[in-house]
Amino acid sequence: AQSVTQPDIHITVSEGASLELRCNYSYGATPYLFWYVQSPGQGLQLLLKYFSGDTLVQGIKGFEAEFKRSQSSFNLRKPSVHWSDAAEYFCAARSNDYKLSFGAGTTVTVRA
Amino acid sequence: DTAVSQTPKYLVTQMGNDKSIKCEQNLGHDTMYWYKQDSKKFLKIMFSYNNKELIINETVPNRFSPKSPDKAHLNLHINSLELGDSAVYFCASSHTPLRGATEAFFGQGTRLTVV
Repeated sequence: AQSVTQPDIHITVSEGASLELRCNYSYGATPYLFWYVQSPGQGLQLLLKYFSGDTLVQGIKGFEAEFKRSQSSFNLRKPSVHWSDAAEYFCAARSNDYKLSFGAGTTVTVRA
Repeated sequence: DTAVSQTPKYLVTQMGNDKSIKCEQNLGHDTMYWYKQDSKKFLKIMFSYNNKELIINETVPNRFSPKSPDKAHLNLHINSLELGDSAVYFCASSHTPLRGATEAFFGQGTRLTVV
């Protein structure tokens, strides 16, 4: 069955420190991959996406993600976290169909 | 000029009532979706419409009935509301995903509380 796994439920990071959020997928073929962010009380905003080509993808707000086919992973990174990055982060995947499947989400807390 | 807009943002209602959530997109997309986010923040697709045709209908109680009057609108009507229906409902839209590389844009969500 197709699935997306985010192993970390909650991550706490200091402001200015680096952040890495893990995402693994289980699909028959490489799916389209996405990272969304949900700030408190807000909707989902697309941070970045991977469709094909360069495995290092740049997104908005200083985020990047690296696709690794051998590890079935699409990890999200940010070199220096700001307090405003505190949010819920969702990895998602889709084959060539209508179903966008989400991971369970990772809550990021930023401490001063 | 919000891309995907949902109304209302908050909805508090009593058990047994019937309510509707409206969604509109101005992105020119031909596919729209409803997702449910439960109390543990898990997101699950409920319905998808492509050009007003129902494409996805997950195992959702038939008390939930989506209606798409045109490509830009997908409304969600819920009959006989139950406590377990309390959740955040997200509308989304995209170009047809059958063509491959396209992303979904989400609305701000509607927080439904059934008391």
